[in-house]
Amino acid sequence: GQQVMQIPQYQHVQEGEDFTTYCNSSTTLSNIQWYKQRPGGHPVFLIQLVKSGEVKKQKRLTFQFGEAKKNSSLHITATQTTDVGTYFCAGSSYGKLTFGQGTILTVHP
Amino acid sequence: NAGVMQNPRHLVRRRGQEARLRCSPMKGHSHVYWYRQLPEEGLKFMVYLQKENIIDESGMPKERFSAEFPKEGPSILRIQQVVRGDSAAYFCASSPSRQGGEQYFGPGTRLTVT
Repeated sequence: GQQVMQIPQYQHVQEGEDFTTYCNSSTTLSNIQWYKQRPGGHPVFLIQLVKSGEVKKQKRLTFQFGEAKKNSSLHITATQTTDVGTYFCAGSSYGKLTFGQGTILTVHP
Repeated sequence: NAGVMQNPRHLVRRRGQEARLRCSPMKGHSHVYWYRQLPEEGLKFMVYLQKENIIDESGMPKERFSAEFPKEGPSILRIQQVVRGDSAAYFCASSPSRQGGEQYFGPGTRLTVT
């Protein structure tokens, strides 16, 4: 079955530093979604990427989908304390989401 | 417009008891998904349901676990004879269609088995 790997598992940064998390799938993805989960909270949808090589931006967040549609990345510029949480990528197949293990981001003020 | 609702938010059961978790999807959504999350781990797909139908149950353990989404009322995830390893957060999500779009997650039910 489909497997989605995500690295790093943990990332500690000083406020103002950049942050990147990477996602790799064992199979070609029809699309990839990114979610954020705050400590004690539930996953919240951030974005969906569908096209090969697609790049989307949301303020300080930049999302990329690889040319082969097997990998993706999320980059945050100049992190803020409000960015803390776990960031998950998820491959979608006939409705079902296969999540990566997530990257836990800690931002030190 | 209410989001996905789950209850109870916290549930404590002794080993061997039954746990019933409820999920009411967003208004207008007929697709419901259940995921399980162990501490500091990702979410694992369990089951995908539409009204009165199980579409995909490939992530459900073969024994003790069942799910339904009746014509009227919430979706129910039922765990019989709970064991300590069932302790986890169970999240329900809903979507308006099956076309791989955004899923809206509920606040989750934190199950603790003592």
